[in-house]
Amino acid sequence: AQKITQTQPGMFVQEKEAVTLDCTYDTSDQSYGLFWYKQPSSGEMIFLIYQGSYDEQNATEGRYSLNFQKARKSANLVISASQLGDSAMYFCAMRGLEDTGRRALTFGSGTRLQVQP
Amino acid sequence: EAGVTQSPTHLIKTRGQQATLRCSPISGHTSVYWYQQALGLGLQFLLWYDEGEERNRGNFPPRFSGRQFPNYSSELNVNALELEDSALYLCASSLDRRGRGRQETQYFGPGTRLLVL
Repeated sequence: AQKITQTQPGMFVQEKEAVTLDCTYDTSDQSYGLFWYKQPSSGEMIFLIYQGSYDEQNATEGRYSLNFQKARKSANLVISASQLGDSAMYFCAMRGLEDTGRRALTFGSGTRLQVQP
Repeated sequence: EAGVTQSPTHLIKTRGQQATLRCSPISGHTSVYWYQQALGLGLQFLLWYDEGEERNRGNFPPRFSGRQFPNYSSELNVNALELEDSALYLCASSLDRRGRGRQETQYFGPGTRLLVL
């Protein structure tokens, strides 16, 4: 079975500062993908960044970077230079790549980030 | 390029009725996933369709069903509605279930908010 744990229900960060959102995972798959999504109050899930378990380098997408530590089974999201528009729920998710039955995403419980001016 | 679209945006039903939710994937995507986001329960996988066939379903009763049409759009049907079915229903699409890298990414629609009275 797959499990995602996000231990920070809520986080505050000052505008223009960096923030790290924690994510740990558990899986028996050798090959898997890790994702971060942003969900504003409107409800739509917005894809932010992807990391494959086979990738040797940490993923980056603009102000988003993923601190992937495979041995520790962690995939923390780092947002640099926070903006007011970053205030939202953030979900860590994963999917296996080996077993057809586990192609769906397994989500963590989310972290609510509030950026303060 | 148009994103994933869902209709209706809001749906109000009463207990025992049936609800039909619709989803159109990103052009070229063959896989469609349905997720339920209920208050306090997080995001849970419902159904996965690929190339017209149901590939997997989550831990939901049979009154949750659906189908995928030849144009890859999808329908989610919920029969005999119960109060606890009130939730945001999110549809996602992806390019290729056997792909790697960004092709594995699921892109979400804006969701349908179902309220059961």
